[in-house]
Amino acid sequence: EVLLVESGGGLVKPGGSLRLSCSASGFTFINAWMSWVRQAPGKGLEWVGRIKNKADGGTTDYPAPVKGRFTISRDDSKNTVYLQMNNLKTEDTALYYCTTCGGYDLRYWGQGTLVAVSS
Amino acid sequence: EIVLTQSPGTLSLSPGERATLSCRASQGVSSSYVAWYQQKPGQAPRLLIYGASSRATGIPDRFSGSGSGADLTLTISRLEPEDSAVYYCQYYGSSPMYTFGQGTKLEIK
Repeated sequence: EVLLVESGGGLVKPGGSLRLSCSASGFTFINAWMSWVRQAPGKGLEWVGRIKNKADGGTTDYPAPVKGRFTISRDDSKNTVYLQMNNLKTEDTALYYCTTCGGYDLRYWGQGTLVAVSS
Repeated sequence: EIVLTQSPGTLSLSPGERATLSCRASQGVSSSYVAWYQQKPGQAPRLLIYGASSRATGIPDRFSGSGSGADLTLTISRLEPEDSAVYYCQYYGSSPMYTFGQGTKLEIK
């Protein structure tokens, strides 16, 4: 069974930083491409970045709203993917989900970790 | 950038009825890159359909996806009470990589 468990969320002031973690099990993590998706309270889904597996270069991609502020990394020895968020803004307040990437879809999802950015 | 517009915003139907959810893209898209998700209250989204018409693991055959060009459809036949949820379409493009529609809320009376 695929299991994704996010952690690291919390309350942070605008301009602050936070690092989220996603621990994965139930599949061959080293081969997986992984994404993060967020959902602001009462709103829809927004993709915030992806990391490929190392065999495919380990490269990352981000949408414009977070590019330059968010960084995704992975530790294959720990089956964990990270989301480093810097210079946080109030509009980054959301539930952050870790997902596996299928071909062109987001196949499995964790339960999310909540990030609140407020002064 | 492709924009996905879902309609209707809210759909209220009875058990046993058929639901038709629409997702319109701002330009023609490859159906291979379209997916649908179900999100129940308090839960994470779940992949229902990928490649526009292939059901994900464990998804009952009451759920089907179709469409081409700019018009995609998710159909749920024989609605059951547990189908109450918000449904999102998603497109895999270049920038941003994954784009979502704003969602359709399905209520089962």
